[in-house]
Amino acid sequence: NAGVMQNPRHLVRRRGQEARLRCSPMKGHSHVYWYRQLPEEGLKFMVYLQKENIIDESGMPKERFSAEFPKEGPSILRIQQVVRGDSAAYFCASSPHGGGLNTGELFFGEGSRLTVL
Amino acid sequence: SQQGEEDPQALSIQEGENATMNCSYKTSINNLQWYRQNSGRGLVHLILIRSNEREKHSGRLRVTLDTSKKSSSLLITASRAADTASYFCATDVRGGTSYGKLTFGQGTILTVHP
Repeated sequence: NAGVMQNPRHLVRRRGQEARLRCSPMKGHSHVYWYRQLPEEGLKFMVYLQKENIIDESGMPKERFSAEFPKEGPSILRIQQVVRGDSAAYFCASSPHGGGLNTGELFFGEGSRLTVL
Repeated sequence: SQQGEEDPQALSIQEGENATMNCSYKTSINNLQWYRQNSGRGLVHLILIRSNEREKHSGRLRVTLDTSKKSSSLLITASRAADTASYFCATDVRGGTSYGKLTFGQGTILTVHP
């Protein structure tokens, strides 16, 4: 039973390029969350998605960032025109059911580490 | 201080000793969770304690929750070198759209010397 799969594990981009990060949730999980971790800091919530729907994107920067979770295929976090401040580890997590009013355990992937030169 | 703030920031102990980490938070919560992160890896869930619980055990882990003080502690007994990692508390804030929106602290870096 594979866990949450993220790729690439490491990504290097130059300023102005685009970064695409992919996440396949655990089997049977239909809820996906993206978090960002800056160096020496805790994780910050970005977005929560279910299949074909963005449920909560309150942690997502208004510009250049977008996320999707299509009916088929992995969830994608897309960062356009990257800047140095986007350098961070981006973690995807999944759960078998939505948080509703009570968030249970989240299952995290190994993360994608983005470096912007 | 931030929601979910750990103390101490770093802890260094010898194998066999107990390690205690504390977490404070500001707003009412549904539950509080502890996660572990090895260097360069993803987070692994350790334990979840609900707002109506005061203490919970899992193997060598013991978690307490004091909602009146808005604080929690994680105790690792008989520590091992393999326990070396960063430990994060995460709160599920009560009310509103708490859809998996856990609020993480900055973590405690635990080093266990053999």
